[in-house]
Amino acid sequence: AQSVTQLGSHVSVSEGALVLLRCNYSSSVPPYLFWYVQYPNQGLQLLLKYTSAATLVKGINGFEAEFKKSETSFHLTKPSAHMSDAAEYFCAVSAASGNTPLVFGKGTRLSVIA
Amino acid sequence: DAGVTQSPTHLIKTRGQQVTLRCSPKSGHDTVSWYQQALGQGPQFIFQYYEEEERQRGNFPDRFSGHQFPNYSSELNVNALLLGDSALYLCASSPVGGNTEAFFGQGTRLTVV
Repeated sequence: AQSVTQLGSHVSVSEGALVLLRCNYSSSVPPYLFWYVQYPNQGLQLLLKYTSAATLVKGINGFEAEFKKSETSFHLTKPSAHMSDAAEYFCAVSAASGNTPLVFGKGTRLSVIA
Repeated sequence: DAGVTQSPTHLIKTRGQQVTLRCSPKSGHDTVSWYQQALGQGPQFIFQYYEEEERQRGNFPDRFSGHQFPNYSSELNVNALLLGDSALYLCASSPVGGNTEAFFGQGTRLTVV
């Protein structure tokens, strides 16, 4: 069984500040890990994914995440927040084999203050 | 490339009615998955279709059914609608073989009154 826990349902940062969104996972098999972003009234857009290659993954819009097996974590970071980063962020896990379904966390809403 | 397209974007149904939602996958994708996203929650997997058959299913009742057509498009049907079925329904497509990300559509917002 797989599960995802996102710590903090709402995170607020100042424009230009570091963004850190936390994700911990549980998986009985080697995982694939994903971060998706959702803007209001929109679908999900993939930010980045970990598929057992490099543990530091770089994504779009300046985001990156580091896979830490010992901590079962996959936290999302961005050095400098921009107003356009305000959105809902979802961490997801799937088994690293075939077209297995994604298991999502409950999401973290990021607010960026000018 | 039009990406994943879903229709309609919004609809309102009455409790007890039936609804059909439609999804066209991204070009080159033959696997379609459906997710339900309740307000304030993460998406939950409903089922997945490949080669016109349901391959995997999440923890949803039989009131939720689907279909995949030869052109890989898909429908999600929900019978005997309940107020709790109100949600954003997301379709995701991916190529067979896995090891790649799913592309999501914009979703259909279903409101049951």
